Amino acid sequence: GAVVSQHPSRVICKSGTSVKIECRSLDFQATTMFWYRQFPKKSLMLMATSNEGSKATYEQGVEKDKFLINHASLTLSTLTVTSAHPEDSSFYICSARDGTSGGQETQYFGPGTRLLVL
Amino acid sequence: QKEVEQDPGPLSVPEGAIVSLNCTYSNSAFQYFMWYRQYSRKGPELLMYTYSSGNKEDGRFTAQVDKSSKYISLFIRDSQPSDSATYLCAMTPFSGGYNKLIFGAGTRLAVHP
Repeated sequence: GAVVSQHPSRVICKSGTSVKIECRSLDFQATTMFWYRQFPKKSLMLMATSNEGSKATYEQGVEKDKFLINHASLTLSTLTVTSAHPEDSSFYICSARDGTSGGQETQYFGPGTRLLVL
Repeated sequence: QKEVEQDPGPLSVPEGAIVSLNCTYSNSAFQYFMWYRQYSRKGPELLMYTYSSGNKEDGRFTAQVDKSSKYISLFIRDSQPSDSATYLCAMTPFSGGYNKLIFGAGTRLAVHP
């Protein structure tokens, strides 16, 4: 159980285009989903927290107009990198909290999406 | 001072060794403690989850939490080359709602045959 998928696993795009990354909880309902960014050999950097049906909460320094997050259902959240630039190239990972886990405060991670902006 | 401190390593051990990974933290409100394993170019995988103080064992893995010292550990017995990965500690307080996880920097472990 507790499987989270991400699509695509890898994407290469031209500078100035927008890229959408999907995160799905496959066998549980995720009331809360998180988006992280990870640079090589570094730890996870939380970008934003999204709750189903409400606006995402962005961490300090993360541009909400650049990284659009939509959490339209209990199993799907999307991250759209708008007008991507080479400095947006990174490993993006989502995670989901199982809202039915009875207070267990943990997150299950997706496999990540590697974005390369040329 | 960071909220969670973790030695990034790298830590290199021979196959079969006992591995000890550690994190210290400063926020006494932390109640939930987790260890994640991350292979290169993959998402983190939850290994161990512990609430409050005490020990928890799962196969070759043992997690310990000492809240009085604000110190948590992960022990790996009979380490295997397949255990080579980055190990991230994470923790969060309990406040009746949900709080974001605070991660350590991750320790890179290499188990050589």
